[in-house]
Parts: sequence; C-alpha cells; structure tokens
Amino acid sequence: EAGVAQSPRYKIIEKRQSVAFWCNPISGHATLYWYQQILGQGPKLLIQFQNNGVVDDSQLPKDRFSAERLKGVDSTLKIQPAKLEDSAVYLCASSLDGGTQYFGPGTRLLVL
Amino acid sequence: GEDVEQSLFLSVREGDSSVINCTYTDSSSTYLYWYKQEPGAGLQLLTYIFSNMDMKQDQRLTVLLNKKDKHLSLRIADTQTGDSAIYFCAEGSGNTGKLIFGQGTTLQVKP
Repeated sequence: EAGVAQSPRYKIIEKRQSVAFWCNPISGHATLYWYQQILGQGPKLLIQFQNNGVVDDSQLPKDRFSAERLKGVDSTLKIQPAKLEDSAVYLCASSLDGGTQYFGPGTRLLVL
Repeated sequence: GEDVEQSLFLSVREGDSSVINCTYTDSSSTYLYWYKQEPGAGLQLLTYIFSNMDMKQDQRLTVLLNKKDKHLSLRIADTQTGDSAIYFCAEGSGNTGKLIFGQGTTLQVKP
C-alpha cells in the first residue's frame, strides 16, 4: 500500500513570495490533515478535511494560508505572502475516517 | 486547554532499555500515540493505546498508561543505534481525532 505522498520535498523562497504544497493521501482515506512543524517543536494542526469539507481550520492563519481538497482526494496548501516565521516542515497526514493518522515525508520550507 | 509535555533528551547505551515519558491534560482523549521521527523524515507511527487500557506490548515496545495521573510512557527494550531519533507523544483530542503533540524527546543511543 502506497503511503502519503508530498511534493516538493524542499522549497526555498524569499519573504512575500507565494508557495504551494501538494499532498496525495493513502488511497481510500477520507480524512486529510495539514500540520506545521517548526524546528524543535511538535507538529501543530493547521487544517483538517473530511472528504472535500473542512472539519477544523481554527489554527490556520487565514490572512495568508489557504488550503483546498476539491475532489476529496489530493490537497494543496498555499502560503501567500510568506513570512520568515513560516519556515517550517509542512506535514500532510491521512486517516480512514478520523482514526489513526499516517504521515507523509513533509515539505521543508525555508523563507529568506 | 490541551497540552502534552515531554522531557527533551534521553541518552542510553546500546542494549539498555529506554523509557520516554509524557504527560497530557485532556482526560477525554480516546487514543494516545507514539510516533518516531528520524532526521529529515516524516513521522512514523510506532504504536498507540486505547484510553481504557493500562498496557500494550508490541515486540520491543511497551506502552504504559496511567489515566489517573494522565501519564504515558514508552519503553524500548534492547535499544539499538537505529532507535536514535525524536519520539513524539500525541493525544487524540475530541471528536475530530485532531492530534496534540508534545515537543518531542530526542533519544541518543551510544554504542
């Protein structure tokens, strides 16, 4: 069974630029999560989808972050414009239906 | 509010047992998880325990849960150099299954 796929693996941008990350969950997993992991910390949930609907986006900085999962399968997370403090690893996870979560390898973002 | 605390660092000798501790605050958590993160990698699910259990054993891993004290521990028997990584404790919070993570414990295994 293929795991959670994410791309790109690494991204370096300058502040005020835009960036987008892509995630493809495990086949059949209805629930998809985006987490932000700042260096030295545990991951923190940004947004959770159930199929193509948002379940929880209370911690998503909506002035600059957006995410979508239009067809209920893969998802895109966008930052526009990026700030220095957005430098982090962005992890995507999926679960069958809100249960045990399986994580992708992450996208490492550096904002200069 | 929800909070998960872990000690930051643990160093052991190869072949010894490692015990990583975690405390959490949400008494309604249904599941508690342990994830492993190696350098430059994502999080690998190691094991989990249902909140009505006291103990779960899976090969070299033993999870102990003290629900009264909201204390979770992960014991790794016969620790190997390949076990060197950051270990995260997480509680499954509320009906959505959102995970609240601790800050991670770095395990260093010396040969």
